Amino acid sequence: QKEVEQNSGPLSVPEGAIASLNCTYSDRGSQSFFWYRQYSGKSPELIMSIYSNGDKEDGRFTAQLNKASQYVSLLIRDSQPSDSATYLCAFLSNTGNQFYFGTGTSLTVIP
Amino acid sequence: DAGITQSPRHKVTETGTPVTLRCHQTENHRYMYWYRQDPGHGLRLIHYSYGVKDTDKGEVSDGYSVSRSKTEDFLLTLESATSSQTSVYFCAISDPLTSGRAWEQYFGPGTRLTVT
Repeated sequence: QKEVEQNSGPLSVPEGAIASLNCTYSDRGSQSFFWYRQYSGKSPELIMSIYSNGDKEDGRFTAQLNKASQYVSLLIRDSQPSDSATYLCAFLSNTGNQFYFGTGTSLTVIP
Repeated sequence: DAGITQSPRHKVTETGTPVTLRCHQTENHRYMYWYRQDPGHGLRLIHYSYGVKDTDKGEVSDGYSVSRSKTEDFLLTLESATSSQTSVYFCAISDPLTSGRAWEQYFGPGTRLTVT
């Protein structure tokens, strides 16, 4: 059974702070990892993909991957109220055909 | 936004009736997926397709069938709807060769299905 574990939250941070979201995954052979943002009542929106160990930065978002620990995280700097959403972690199976998603972490940014 | 539409967007149906949901894409992506999203379970894969007439099961495929006769359309059929199939259904597409973005997946707007 392939699994993705996320802290469901809710996570609350003040505006301007750093939000840290964490995820562990079960498939040691997986090479591709993703973070999606989902606003209430809307579809998931891809915000970051990461394939190599280390950090990947895109604007206010930084994804971190540690394959040895089977751990991926997302940092949101200078958090804004518009970042309030549920963040889904996902990985692509090592067979390359199926994606597995966590249940998501709910983030609230308090003005 | 990726060109993905789903129809209908909302549907209420009775137990035992067949239901077909449609996903239509204009991106010419090879891979298409059907997920359901339920509280406490996250997104779970029902079926996926890797080309016209090429489909495979996901982790929650029981009670569902799919068809893909054209690249742009992927149909999900609930053969005899049950209350446990009340959910939000999302279609997604990906194609590392066409999009140039390795395995990034893009979602449609979703269909909210209620089985009474």
